[in-house]
Amino acid sequence: DQQVKQNSPSLSVQEGRISILNCDYTNSMFDYFLWYKKYPAEGPTFLISISSIKDKNEDGRFTVFLNKSAKHLSLHIVPSQPGDSAVYFCAASGAYSGAGSYQLTFGKGTKLSVIP
Amino acid sequence: DTEVTQTPKHLVMGMTNKKSLKCEQHMGHRAMYWYKQKAKKPPELMFVYSYEKLSINESVPSRFSPECPNSSLLNLHLHALQPEDSALYLCASSQGRGVGEKLFFGSGTQLSVL
Repeated sequence: DQQVKQNSPSLSVQEGRISILNCDYTNSMFDYFLWYKKYPAEGPTFLISISSIKDKNEDGRFTVFLNKSAKHLSLHIVPSQPGDSAVYFCAASGAYSGAGSYQLTFGKGTKLSVIP
Repeated sequence: DTEVTQTPKHLVMGMTNKKSLKCEQHMGHRAMYWYKQKAKKPPELMFVYSYEKLSINESVPSRFSPECPNSSLLNLHLHALQPEDSALYLCASSQGRGVGEKLFFGSGTQLSVL
């Protein structure tokens, strides 16, 4: 049972336009959400995160929006650049229950292609 | 230094071999993780070490044996693997405070079991 879902396996966007990547979750105990970017043959690289007490977090060209009532978050990239082409993973963590219990649950990823 | 270093980058082994994957970080992080990722799938948690003690084992077969010799090092010992164990093995670390943390990942070891 996938607790973090990224329903779009791929997305193509023209350079300079906005990329919107979506993520849904089912576990209401998740309280911290992260986006990771992954190039082939490399490990995931942290991009941006948001706590459940916020509904928006912005870092340069990247903005993450959280809608807790809908259990939905999205990553906006504006403007999109060819170097943004990668697989983007949504991840979530839940209520902390003691040392060593922290872990991330990942979605399946969305492959973003930015076309020059 | 914000790097997690994994060696080797690639590994090919037979089903009777014994090999080890190594991971190192010098960020002072007290939590370290092993994830397994198959093609077109999300990373799946295998083990978590917190303050050098194994805290989570996600029902991983005993042919995978983790070890945390000190707070900077994490090993994964492999023995009698199956071809279906072929995957990208990712090591990660985090501060270990347990609230709202981001994980730093290494580049992974691409493992092929013949």
